[in-house]
Amino acid sequence: DAGVIQSPRHEVTEMGQEVTLRCKPISGHDYLFWYRQTMMRGLELLIYFNNNVPIDDSGMPEDRFSAKMPNASFSTLKIQPSEPRDSAVYFCASSLGGSSYEQYFGPGTRLTVT
Amino acid sequence: TQLLEQSPQFLSIQEGENLTVYCNSSSVFSSLQWYRQEPGEGPVLLVTVVTGGEVKKLKRLTFQFGDARKDSSLHITAAQPGDTGLYLCAGEHSWGKLQFGAGTQVVVTP
Repeated sequence: DAGVIQSPRHEVTEMGQEVTLRCKPISGHDYLFWYRQTMMRGLELLIYFNNNVPIDDSGMPEDRFSAKMPNASFSTLKIQPSEPRDSAVYFCASSLGGSSYEQYFGPGTRLTVT
Repeated sequence: TQLLEQSPQFLSIQEGENLTVYCNSSSVFSSLQWYRQEPGEGPVLLVTVVTGGEVKKLKRLTFQFGDARKDSSLHITAAQPGDTGLYLCAGEHSWGKLQFGAGTQVVVTP
């Protein structure tokens, strides 16, 4: 398996622009997670899905952030409008579910908002 | 919010030395996971501990979960340059929802 795939790997955008980050989880995994990592706050869970349904979005910082999972093989995290404080590395992870605790992380998208 | 505190924040040692990283919380977790992250990559799971007092070994790495399931430690014996990385502990609140510590950056020099 190719593992969790994220695109783009790097994104540079100007303040106010819309940003869309994409994730393809490992085939067969029922759970998908979006995280944000910064030096100041470390790795934070933003939202997670089970069988394409959002379960907990309490980590989403504000209404500018939204996430969707239209099918089992694709998810997006959108920021509109983007702000410089959104600059971070965004990770997607997936998990099999059931008795498996392991989360498999993608390589991340490094977002820079100028 | 249940905080997970890791110590030390940074550790630099010579190849062959031993090291211990600590992860502490005032709250109980149903399980605790340890990850290692290398630059430009996502975290990779090393181990999951579930039972209070549990000890797991992964080659030169030894993981221990405290009896009260509030704290954990990672001990590396005879560290090698390949052990260099950011070590993260993560406590499980409810199934699948993890809270990560700030991490310990370990640097092992030849």
